[in-house]
Amino acid sequence: GENVEQHPSTLSVQEGDSAVIKCTYSDSASNYFPWYKQELGKRPQLIIDIRSNVGEKKDQRIAVTLNKTAKHFSLHITETQPEDSAVYFCAASLGSARQLTFGSGTQLTVLP
Amino acid sequence: NAGVTQTPKFRVLKTGQSMTLLCAQDMNHEYMYWYRQDPGMGLRLIHYSVGEGTTAKGEVPDGYNVSRLKKQNFLLGLESAAPSQTSVYFCASRKQGAGSGYTFGSGTRLTVV
Repeated sequence: GENVEQHPSTLSVQEGDSAVIKCTYSDSASNYFPWYKQELGKRPQLIIDIRSNVGEKKDQRIAVTLNKTAKHFSLHITETQPEDSAVYFCAASLGSARQLTFGSGTQLTVLP
Repeated sequence: NAGVTQTPKFRVLKTGQSMTLLCAQDMNHEYMYWYRQDPGMGLRLIHYSVGEGTTAKGEVPDGYNVSRLKKQNFLLGLESAAPSQTSVYFCASRKQGAGSGYTFGSGTRLTVV
C-alpha cells in the first residue's frame, strides 16, 4: 500500500511570512495529491490539489509543487494570515477506488 | 443539497456495546469511505465502497463492519466496542473519475469507556 510522510509536524511563522509543508509518498503509481485544511473541531476541507501530469499549481496565496521523480510534493502558503492557522494534511491517491492515504498532519500557527 | 451528513455527532459507549454510524450523501457519488482520526496519526481508512452493494477493507478494518445497501448511505458498525476505538470518525464521498476530491462529513466523536 501507499505510505505518506509529512514534515514538519508543527510550524510557526510570523504573519506575512511564507510557510512550506513537505510530503513524500512511496508508490510511484499514485496520481492525485490533494491538500486539506482542518480547523479545530471541523471537517477537513480541500484547499488545493494536483494531478501527476502537472508540476505546479497555484491558487492565489497557495501553491503546490510535485516532483514525481523524487516522489515528493509541497504546499506553499505566501503572505500568511492568522486565519491560515490550522492543521494541514497532504494525501496521495492510489487503488481501485483511488482511496486517499493521508500524512500525519502539520499544525501551522501564524503569529500576529 | 446537504452534502455528506453523519449521525450521530457524539456518542459515548460502554465497552462491549454495539452501535451503527450513518453516513448519507445527496450528491449521487459512487465512492464512499470511512476514516478514523486519532491525534498525531492523521486519517486512516477503515472501509470503503465503490458502489451500491460493494464494500472493501482499508488500512484498519478490524473491529468494524460496513454496509452499502443504498447508493446514498454507508453504514459503519461496531459490534463490540473497545476503548481503542475511541476516535473521531469521518465519512467521505467522491464522484467517479480520476482526480476528484473528497467531500467530508462533519464527523462523529465516539468515546468508549
